[in-house]
Amino acid sequence: QKEVEQNSGPLSVPEGAIASLNCTYSDRGSQSFFWYRQYSGKSPELIMSIYSNGDKEDGRFTAQLNKASQYVSLLIRDSQPSDSATYLCAVNMGSSTLGRLYFGRGTQLTVWP
Amino acid sequence: GAGVSQSPSNKVTEKGKDVELRCDPISGHTALYWYRQSLGQGLEFLIYFQGNSAPDKSGLPSDRFSAERTGGSVSTLTIQRTQQEDSAVYLCASSSSGRTSYEQYFGPGTRLTVT
Repeated sequence: QKEVEQNSGPLSVPEGAIASLNCTYSDRGSQSFFWYRQYSGKSPELIMSIYSNGDKEDGRFTAQLNKASQYVSLLIRDSQPSDSATYLCAVNMGSSTLGRLYFGRGTQLTVWP
Repeated sequence: GAGVSQSPSNKVTEKGKDVELRCDPISGHTALYWYRQSLGQGLEFLIYFQGNSAPDKSGLPSDRFSAERTGGSVSTLTIQRTQQEDSAVYLCASSSSGRTSYEQYFGPGTRLTVT
């Protein structure tokens, strides 16, 4: 069974803090990892992709990947109220699954002023 | 450039009727995906197209669901004899070939309500 698990939340942080979102996945052959942001009533928006072990930074966002531990995380620095949304972790689990992404259930983040 | 577009944005239908949902991917994107998201649920994969062929239909929940893609572009998802459990937001995504081929970009979705 191919699964993606996220810390269920909800997660609440004050403005300016670091928000940490975590995700684990079941398939060791997984190759590509993504974070999507979904505002209430809207569709998911791709915010980060990561393919290699280590950190990838893009502005206030840092994705971290550890394939040995089957773990991927998203850090949001200097959190803003506009970051309040549900964050979805998505994983492509190798060539046998073609392009399909497996999604976690999401972590709801609230950033309060 | 233009993103993924879907129509209609909202559809209310009576139980037992057929519905067609349309997706227009990002120009040049060869791969197209359909997902659905029920209230409070995660994204459920339905079907994947590469060009006009569908190598992965494993997520279609029943034979009432079908999809096609023509000209390597527009796709339609058809649900026959709709049931109340079909109520959900139907999302289409597309991706390009090559190095970033698994980066999927979503359309705004079609909210389907079956009464």
